[in-house]
Amino acid sequence: DTAVSQTPKYLVTQMGNDKSIKCEQNLGHDTMYWYKQDSKKFLKIMFSYNNKELIINETVPNRFSPKSPDKAHLNLHINSLELGDSAVYFCASSQGDRNSPLHFGNGTRLTVT
Amino acid sequence: GENVEQHPSTLSVQEGDSAVIKCTYSDSASNYFPWYKQELGKRPQLIIDIRSNVGEKKDQRIAVTLNKTAKHFSLHITETQPEDSAVYFCAASKVGSQGNLIFGKGTKLSVKP
Repeated sequence: DTAVSQTPKYLVTQMGNDKSIKCEQNLGHDTMYWYKQDSKKFLKIMFSYNNKELIINETVPNRFSPKSPDKAHLNLHINSLELGDSAVYFCASSQGDRNSPLHFGNGTRLTVT
Repeated sequence: GENVEQHPSTLSVQEGDSAVIKCTYSDSASNYFPWYKQELGKRPQLIIDIRSNVGEKKDQRIAVTLNKTAKHFSLHITETQPEDSAVYFCAASKVGSQGNLIFGKGTKLSVKP
């Protein structure tokens, strides 16, 4: 009965490949996010979607493309993977503009070799 | 934009002692300040939050204080236990930011038995 679920948990791939990470939330939240956590544990927002509409797009390379088919899903597609993309990617959701807490998924550890 | 500074980056205490983690923020319009705990290999989880209309909030052994004038807020953990060992993140956001939480860089707390 996980509130925010993302798959896969681990992803090992070679440079240049294209990969996707999926995220789903069953909390009824209207806003979903992707965060990147690097090896130093810094948590940095990448994207935010509110009701399927892109709200926040931080300075992320355009190799990263989020897609939100509905407000319960936010997937992340990454093209032409690079070594520097190796990190843990967290999906999260919240009730958008009401300053409510973020609920994180369990993370996807991406390793690019 | 908002900038959140967090200190110290590492903190080691003996079991039973208190631990204090401090954060400062730059945007005086920020009005929501959550704290997240991230255990090794797991997702960040909300442990306590405070809004700008409140100066202090307690939940059992943890408390958060907010000084709006000085733009800083602190996490206090009393009677620390080994299971409190984790990385703690402070964050700040404001209404109108679509839930865009800006995180501090984290504090690794180690509680020695």
